[in-house]
Amino acid sequence: DTAVSQTPKYLVTQMGNDKSIKCEQNLGHDTMYWYKQDSKKFLKIMFSYNNKELIINETVPNRFSPKSPDKAHLNLHINSLELGDSAVYFCASSGRVAIYYNEQFFGPGTRLTVL
Amino acid sequence: DAKTTQPPSMDCAEGRAANLPCNHSTISGNEYVYWYRQIHSQGPQYIIHGLKNNETNEMASLIITEDRKSSTLILPHATLRDTAVYYCIVRPNTNAGKSTFGDGTTLTVKP
Repeated sequence: DTAVSQTPKYLVTQMGNDKSIKCEQNLGHDTMYWYKQDSKKFLKIMFSYNNKELIINETVPNRFSPKSPDKAHLNLHINSLELGDSAVYFCASSGRVAIYYNEQFFGPGTRLTVL
Repeated sequence: DAKTTQPPSMDCAEGRAANLPCNHSTISGNEYVYWYRQIHSQGPQYIIHGLKNNETNEMASLIITEDRKSSTLILPHATLRDTAVYYCIVRPNTNAGKSTFGDGTTLTVKP
């Protein structure tokens, strides 16, 4: 059973196109995240949603629009793709145990290449 | 979130203990120390976390100094599969506590 899944695993597209990456978690978690890992391997948070509400937005361009139809899904839509958007995008989720939020579970990543 | 400082790389012999240090001198009272690792561009994997007491689980041990300004992750018997980038993160234990990943330590376990 895959805890956090992402589709597609690889995405190659032309500059200027619009694309979406989907994420689903079956852990019953109420918080989900999107991270971007660039070519220098630096992993940076982009967004966080808790129960379908945006709680973290790390100064990401408006071309990136996360959408959470329910708390098990957090999709990432990217408009007008640019060369600098090429990266690996990781989805993650975390849950609440008593009053604590424990570890984040990460998906396998989506490698986006913009030509 | 507090910043962390880790050595860029370390080597360890297979079967020996790997001790990975992390400095977090600006950690605040409500921040926990988390460790994750990333094996060859897979998604990061949680290892362990703690507040001030030492912690141990099936993967590793976490030793936090009394002043909480530094910690050490210990892999007691490193295997080749432990070769990865190890990230030390400090963050509040809330749903808004984002994980700020630094450069991490690349651990290479050698036969």
